[in-house]
Amino acid sequence: QLVLTQSPSASASLGASVKLTCTLSSGHSSYAIAWHQQQPEKGPRYLMKLNSDGSHSKGDGIPDRFSGSSSGAERYLTISSLQSEDEADYYCQTWGTGILGVFGGGTKLTVL
Amino acid sequence: EVQLVESGGVVVQPGGSLRLSCAASGFTFDDYAMHWVRQAPGKGLEWVSLISWDGGSTYYADSVKGRFTISRDNSKNSLYLQMNSLRAEDTALYYCATAPYMDVWGKGTTVTVSS
Repeated sequence: QLVLTQSPSASASLGASVKLTCTLSSGHSSYAIAWHQQQPEKGPRYLMKLNSDGSHSKGDGIPDRFSGSSSGAERYLTISSLQSEDEADYYCQTWGTGILGVFGGGTKLTVL
Repeated sequence: EVQLVESGGVVVQPGGSLRLSCAASGFTFDDYAMHWVRQAPGKGLEWVSLISWDGGSTYYADSVKGRFTISRDNSKNSLYLQMNSLRAEDTALYYCATAPYMDVWGKGTTVTVSS
């Protein structure tokens, strides 16, 4: 069974960088994921699709401050030059043959 | 502009039924399979259902299987979710999104199941 694991919370200072992690369960390290952002009281927003080799394709209008990378079963979202509007919940999501819709539990990012 | 707009969410009693709609615009709707995703108050995102581009294949989360039915009308650029035998735990914001990696989301419609 494919499970995506995220830390429940993270924090970083205004103007700093933060790296969020999504870990794929054993045997699924080749899967691509998508990162989504959900600001308070808003719907989710697609950030990027992130492949196992670290290549990624961002959604329209997503700033260059958002980038993705991969290492083994880990998928990362790095946000640089943190701004107050980056304070949000971040979800990873994956799909594949027989895997229709799986979300991580989400990471709540606080910008200090 | 690429857009998904959900509608149909209301307050309904336990055991009741409801049909949600999702209107697509700005892209070729029948190029995409489509998801329904929900979010209970204060909780994370939960995948609910998926339908293939032509409606020929449908899939459901165990929590809704046998009670919910997903469908689409490509001539109307519309996606639907028929929800029967509703329970309190179905209370949530319901979103539609493009498949497979949800690169387009709607703003959601609220379903409240309460007596």
